[in-house]
Amino acid sequence: AQKITQTQPGMFVQEKEAVTLDCTYDTSDPSYGLFWYKQPSSGEMIFLIYQGSYDQQNATEGRYSLNFQKARKSANLVISASQLGDSAMYFCAMRPTWGEGYSSASKIIFGSGTRLSIRP
Amino acid sequence: NAGVMQNPRHLVRRRGQEARLRCSPMKGHSHVYWYRQLPEEGLKFMVYLQKENIIDESGMPKERFSAEFPKEGPSILRIQQVVRGDSAAYFCASSRPGQVYEQYFGPGTRLTVT
Repeated sequence: AQKITQTQPGMFVQEKEAVTLDCTYDTSDPSYGLFWYKQPSSGEMIFLIYQGSYDQQNATEGRYSLNFQKARKSANLVISASQLGDSAMYFCAMRPTWGEGYSSASKIIFGSGTRLSIRP
Repeated sequence: NAGVMQNPRHLVRRRGQEARLRCSPMKGHSHVYWYRQLPEEGLKFMVYLQKENIIDESGMPKERFSAEFPKEGPSILRIQQVVRGDSAAYFCASSRPGQVYEQYFGPGTRLTVT
């Protein structure tokens, strides 16, 4: 069975510091994708970053980078130079990438989230 | 270039009433997914639909819940005889054919059952 584990229910970080949000996953699928989403207090889900299991390099998007360690099955999100607007819930998620013909490939499985609060 | 649209954004229903949640996918997207988020939890997959076809409903409760995506018009998630435990945020996502991994989420509908 596939599972995403986020062990940090809440974190407080000083503005401008870097922060790492932990995520470990469990899957037997040979190919999969890993995502991070941000959910501010307004409630919408904002896509941040994606990492494919066969990607050679760690994904980066602006201040976001994904520290992908395949052997350890971890996909931590690193936010550099945190800002007050980064305060939100952050969800790690995963789906297999067998291809469009497999209906199970459509399910994104989410972790329970980490609430990040940035202190001024 | 409008994103995924959901309405209503907030819905209040009394126990026993029906709730209808609508989702209009992004332009060019013909695949729709519904997820439910209970308070303080992550999103849970409910159902995956293409036009006039349910592909995967393995996450749907067996009773009272149904979903459709007609040839014309939005996708509808219907909850009959709502109970307090149905109170949650319901998110819709959409994708293009062949790109099921690129799901774009709507703003969600927050259902409150009183």
